[in-house]
Amino acid sequence: GAVVSQHPSRVICKSGTSVKIECRSLDFQATTMFWYRQFPKQSLMLMATSNEGSKATYEQGVEKDKFLINHASLTLSTLTVTSAHPEDSSFYICGAVGGNTIYFGEGSWLTVV
Amino acid sequence: QQQVKQSPQSLIVQKGGISIINCAYENTAFDYFPWYQQFPGKGPALLIAIRPDVSEKKEGRFTISFNKSAKQFSLHIMDSQPGDSATYFCAAREGGTSYGKLTFGQGTILTVHP
Repeated sequence: GAVVSQHPSRVICKSGTSVKIECRSLDFQATTMFWYRQFPKQSLMLMATSNEGSKATYEQGVEKDKFLINHASLTLSTLTVTSAHPEDSSFYICGAVGGNTIYFGEGSWLTVV
Repeated sequence: QQQVKQSPQSLIVQKGGISIINCAYENTAFDYFPWYQQFPGKGPALLIAIRPDVSEKKEGRFTISFNKSAKQFSLHIMDSQPGDSATYFCAAREGGTSYGKLTFGQGTILTVHP
């Protein structure tokens, strides 16, 4: 089956610093990837849609200057949380479109201290 | 605005029983309805999916029932097992010229007692 890898799986950073999360489709090419955020015991909330070679489309209320998304190749999208604050602590999940299905990564836990 | 409403929020079933989770939607532009299973600390994994031109789809112990006129769909897990204990999300995809984004339901925490 299609595999999507996220790295790192867990990261702790200091308040005010930036952190980058990578999402890779390992055995297929993904023109479109999605970035979701999930708080404990809550649903997945779409943050942005990432299309290879073009600017990401952000959902209403998501700060595009804070959550930088780059989709430089057909197998890699990155999410950079800039000037992170404790309220940015969350579980971030990427999904990559393969064929007619979205395959999700294992998620990345971000803790901002 | 919650476009996909899921119920119940939590469900407890005995081993061997049937688990039923329901979802309802409003947006008639949705054209693909997947169900995902998520274990704690992991990303969601696709279980089964259906399109609105089909009323039922079965894969192993998992069945989706779809009622287009009522704009409702449900997941049935037959012969539920303790290993099925997880959070289940229904989702709906917007159709269009490019691959549409998924909107998720609120999730159902399923606990199967041995």
